[in-house]
Amino acid sequence: GEDVEQSLFLSVREGDSSVINCTYTDSSSTYLYWYKQEPGAGLQLLTYIFSNMDMKQDQRLTVLLNKKDKHLSLRIADTQTGDSAIYFCAGEGDYGGSQGNLIFGKGTKLSVKP
Amino acid sequence: ETGVTQSPTHLIKTRGQQVTLRCSSQSGHNTVSWYQQALGQGPQFIFQYYREEENGRGNFPPRFSGLQFPNYSSELNVNALELDDSALYLCASSLELAGLEQYFGPGTRLTVT
Repeated sequence: GEDVEQSLFLSVREGDSSVINCTYTDSSSTYLYWYKQEPGAGLQLLTYIFSNMDMKQDQRLTVLLNKKDKHLSLRIADTQTGDSAIYFCAGEGDYGGSQGNLIFGKGTKLSVKP
Repeated sequence: ETGVTQSPTHLIKTRGQQVTLRCSSQSGHNTVSWYQQALGQGPQFIFQYYREEENGRGNFPPRFSGLQFPNYSSELNVNALELDDSALYLCASSLELAGLEQYFGPGTRLTVT
C-alpha cells in the first residue's frame, strides 16, 4: 500500500520561502494533498494537485509534483509567523474498495522565526 | 453552510471501557471518514461510511465500529479500550466518496488511563 514520508522539522525566518518535501510509494493516487494542522486543531485542506500535473500555484502556495521520482513539494512564499503549523502530505489509499480515504505522512513541523 | 462538528471535545476513559464519539458532517455531504491521530503521527484511516453503509476499513480491529444515520451524521464506537487508543479522533466529510476536498472536524481528544 501507499507509504508517505516527510522530513519532521523545518525552521525558517519570516519573509523567507519555505519548502516542505514529501515522497510517496504508490503512483495510483488521482490527487495528492497538502493539509495544515495548527496546535489543538483539526486538519485544514491547503491545496491539492491532480496527478497528471507538474505544478500548481495558489496565491503564496506552489505545489510541485515529480511523478518519476514520486516526490511532492509545497513552497510557501513570504512565510509569516501565522504559517507556523504542522503540514501533512497525503495520497489516496484504497482500503477495502473505499475511495477517497487518505494516507498521511507523519507531518513536517514548520517554525517561523520573526 | 455549517462545517464538520465533533463531540465531545475531550474525553477521559479507563482501560476496558467503551466510548462513543460523534460527528456531524458538513451540510450536503453524504460520506464520513474517521481517522485516528496518535501523538506525533499523521492521521490513520479507520473506516468510511457512505449513505449509511460501511465502505472500506483500514487496519483497525473489530472493536472499532461505526454508524451513519439518515442525516449523514456518524458515530465511532470503541469497545474494550486500550491505552494505545489514546489519540485525537478526526472525522472528515465529503461529497459522494470523493477524496477531493474532504473537510475535517476539530477532533475529539480521547485519553485512556
